[in-house]
Amino acid sequence: GNSVTQMEGPVTLSEEAFLTINCTYTATGYPSLFWYVQYPGEGLQLLLKATKADDKGSNKGFEATYRKETTSFHLEKGSVQVSDSAVYFCALSEYNTDKLIFGTGTRLQVFP
Amino acid sequence: KAGVTQTPRYLIKTRGQQVTLSCSPISGHRSVSWYQQTPGQGLQFLFEYFSETQRNKGNFPGRFSGRQFSNSRSEMNVSTLELGDSALYLCASSLEIGGRGEAFFGQGTRLTVV
Repeated sequence: GNSVTQMEGPVTLSEEAFLTINCTYTATGYPSLFWYVQYPGEGLQLLLKATKADDKGSNKGFEATYRKETTSFHLEKGSVQVSDSAVYFCALSEYNTDKLIFGTGTRLQVFP
Repeated sequence: KAGVTQTPRYLIKTRGQQVTLSCSPISGHRSVSWYQQTPGQGLQFLFEYFSETQRNKGNFPGRFSGRQFSNSRSEMNVSTLELGDSALYLCASSLEIGGRGEAFFGQGTRLTVV
């Protein structure tokens, strides 16, 4: 079945450091790919998405590129802030459905 | 515009009881999905509804059920509660059907079974 694998956390960084959170997927067909973020006590918010191969999603300085050849959708940010501290989830949606399959989540902690 | 509203926010129930959770989607959204979030299992898909029809169901026992009303509001019910049902239950609504659109999540209902 379809699945998403993302790197274990926590990821601990100093402010202004470069961030990479790895995400790979297994899927039949052509899924859409997403990164969601969850702040403490909150639901999930969509951070960015990509719907086809080579698409780059970007938002708030975060970027991720849909790589079909490596089945990856790694999240990057050039300079993290303390306010970016949260749990980040990589997800895919199967064709013709709104069902999301999530990775296990990666907790990011940014210190001043 | 108002976001996805889930009620109640917190709930404490006893083993063996049943519970009903409610989700009001964003106005105009007709697709509603439910997820269970636990520290051990992460985020797991429960159901997906569109226009009052269940389109998809996750791998959960029959004690978990749901429905969607004509105004797109949705409810999920868990009967004969078990300790392992303690979780954050998240509802999401979408404008588009078919996985290309953005899913908007509510803040969740935190269910504790004692």
